[in-house]
Amino acid sequence: NAGVTQTPKFQVLKTGQSMTLQCAQDMNHNSMYWYRQDPGMGLRLIYYSASEGTTDKGEVPNGYNVSRLNKREFSLRLESAAPSQTSVYFCASWRAGQATDTQYFGPGTRLTVL
Amino acid sequence: GNSVTQMEGPVTLSEEAFLTINCTYTATGYPSLFWYVQYPGEGLQLLLKATKADDKGSNKGFEATYRKETTSFHLEKGSVQVSDSAVYFCALSDGAGSYQLTFGKGTKLSVIP
Repeated sequence: NAGVTQTPKFQVLKTGQSMTLQCAQDMNHNSMYWYRQDPGMGLRLIYYSASEGTTDKGEVPNGYNVSRLNKREFSLRLESAAPSQTSVYFCASWRAGQATDTQYFGPGTRLTVL
Repeated sequence: GNSVTQMEGPVTLSEEAFLTINCTYTATGYPSLFWYVQYPGEGLQLLLKATKADDKGSNKGFEATYRKETTSFHLEKGSVQVSDSAVYFCALSDGAGSYQLTFGKGTKLSVIP
C-alpha cells in the first residue's frame, strides 16, 4: 500500500495564478483532510470530507475550495493564489467508525506564492 | 473548544540525554491522545497513542501516559539519539464522531553528538 500520496511535491506560483493540489489514499478510508503548516502555527485544518460526497470547512478555509472526487481522492484548489498561502500542505485520511484510530498523513506539498 | 498546549521549543539535547516534552490538553468528554513525529522534509507519522486514562503509549523507546487528573500526556525518552531530531506534535481527538484532530504547535528537538 502506498498510503496517502500527494502531488506535486513542490510548486511555485505567481500571485493570482490558480492550481490544484491532488491527494489520494489506498486504505479505503472514509474521511479525508487538508491542513496547512506554517512556522510556529502547528497544523491548521483547511477543509475535510467526513465521507464521499460531503465536505466541510475547517479553521482556515478562505481562499480554498475542495472536491471529494471519489472515496480515494480529495483535491484542494487555490483559485487566485496569494503570498499568504505560501505554506506546506498536508493531506490526511482516517477510517471513520474507529474512534480510537487516527489520521495518516501524506508527504506534503511545499507551495511558494511570489 | 478543544485545545492542546505544548512546551515551547526548540529543545537541544546531547546524545543519551533524557527527554521530556510537556503536553497538556483541554477537552470535553474522553479524548484519545496522540504524539506525532515529523522528520525533516516529511509528513507526520504517528509515534504513539493512548485512548483512556492511565493508558501508557510506547514506541521506539518513547513513552507517554494519559493523566486525566492533570490533563497531561507528556512525552519521555530515557536516552535520545541523533536520529530522534525532529518536530514532535501532541494531538487529541474528542471521540465525538467528528474524527478531527486538535494539534499543539509542535516542539522541535535537536540532538547533538
